[in-house]
Amino acid sequence: GAGVSQSPSNKVTEKGKDVELRCDPISGHTALYWYRQSLGQGLEFLIYFQGNSAPDKSGLPSDRFSAERTGGSVSTLTIQRTQQEDSAVYLCASSLVQAETQYFGPGTRLLVL
Amino acid sequence: AQSVTQPDIHITVSEGASLELRCNYSYGATPYLFWYVQSPGQGLQLLLKYFSGDTLVQGIKGFEAEFKRSQSSFNLRKPSVHWSDAAEYFCAVGVQTGANNLFFGTGTRLTVIP
Repeated sequence: GAGVSQSPSNKVTEKGKDVELRCDPISGHTALYWYRQSLGQGLEFLIYFQGNSAPDKSGLPSDRFSAERTGGSVSTLTIQRTQQEDSAVYLCASSLVQAETQYFGPGTRLLVL
Repeated sequence: AQSVTQPDIHITVSEGASLELRCNYSYGATPYLFWYVQSPGQGLQLLLKYFSGDTLVQGIKGFEAEFKRSQSSFNLRKPSVHWSDAAEYFCAVGVQTGANNLFFGTGTRLTVIP
């Protein structure tokens, strides 16, 4: 595809449920990033992948958050036992290599009721 | 630690007027600097970037930004604003170690009045 795609575009879930957010980066981009955009917190970095490896997971806000990337392409961000404070827009970005320009997807809007 | 400050939360300008959005950063090394724009319900679109070289960089949609090392600033400018420029603008600094992730400012919302 031409750009980074994310699905679903919107997700409403109940507190305590698990959710999976998907990111499909630009073809050939080796680096993939997840960010969260929430009111009062701005844009915060969550995790990045170089290939299928995530060398630094310290940005994940709690152990309920996890992410994986397979085949050096698609990535999934999973939030277990969702809480209302998880409500936010989750943005994915990819870059050709690390330290290069990041291109963002449209985001997934998550609402936890 | 890295940080980005956008001191103006909201700016209103008339269509056709000039625009300057301020951005100050804190970073220990030569930064990679970016401006992104976000329209309502959309993701982030790259306007321009500075990695090295000429400190005045040109971007899309008629925007430009100037890197001033002495002031730790990377202000975004446009000589004549169009109604379609109404959006939220984010300045970001790219970390050159580890994850090479971006640190964002809190954004400036631009309103354009006819």
